[in-house]
Amino acid sequence: DTAVSQTPKYLVTQMGNDKSIKCEQNLGHDTMYWYKQDSKKFLKIMFSYNNKELIINETVPNRFSPKSPDKAHLNLHINSLELGDSAVYFCASSRTWDRYSDTQYFGPGTRLTVL
Amino acid sequence: AQTVTQSQPEMSVQEAETVTLSCTYDTSENNYYLFWYKQPPSRQMILVIRQEAYKQQNATENRFSVNFQKAAKSFSLKISDSQLGDTAMYFCAPSGGANSKLTFGKGITLSVRP
Repeated sequence: DTAVSQTPKYLVTQMGNDKSIKCEQNLGHDTMYWYKQDSKKFLKIMFSYNNKELIINETVPNRFSPKSPDKAHLNLHINSLELGDSAVYFCASSRTWDRYSDTQYFGPGTRLTVL
Repeated sequence: AQTVTQSQPEMSVQEAETVTLSCTYDTSENNYYLFWYKQPPSRQMILVIRQEAYKQQNATENRFSVNFQKAAKSFSLKISDSQLGDTAMYFCAPSGGANSKLTFGKGITLSVRP
C-alpha cells in the first residue's frame, strides 16, 4: 500500500491554464505539506495543513490554492499557469505539525511542465 | 530562521568504499531534529537517518551513520560499503522552530562507481 500518493505523476499543460494536483495519505497523519522542487533541485515548503486547517503559507503567489477536504487529502490548485511554475511538486505528511521530531513522508512527486 | 549549507555539489565513490557527505546548519532553536533524505533517480524522497539534537550519541542505521557536532552545527552523513543503489541526491534538513518546518539544503549528488 502506498503511504502518500499523488496524481498525476506527470502534467504537461499550456500557459494560462488551470490545473490541480491531488494528494492522499493513508498513514493516519494529521499534517500534510506541499513542497516545490525547482530545476536546480532546491526543495522549499509552500503550504502545510493540520487536520484541514492551514498552518504554513509561505510566500507563494495567490494563483496557488491548497484545499484540504479532510485530513487524509490535500490538493493543490494552480490558476493561470506560468512558465516559472514548471517544477516537481511533492506532497508529504507527518503525524503532527508541532513536534519537530516527526518524520515527514513524501509522495512520489508530480512533474509539472508548462509550455 | 534556519539555514543549511551543503558545500559539495557532487561526489563520487567506488563501490564498497566509504564516503562522507558534509552539512552545516544554523539555527536559533534549542530543540530540533536533523534529517538526511535521499532522492534517487526515481525522484522519490526517502528518509535515510535522523538525529535528535539533544542526544550526544550519533545515530546509526545499518551502513549509514552521522557525525553530529552540535557546537559546530555540523551534521555529516557517512555511508559505509557503498552500493550502486546509493547513487542519489542527498539532502540535509533540520526541523524545528515555528511549525516545525523542514529546511532543506541544496543537496549533494552522489555517484557510486562499479
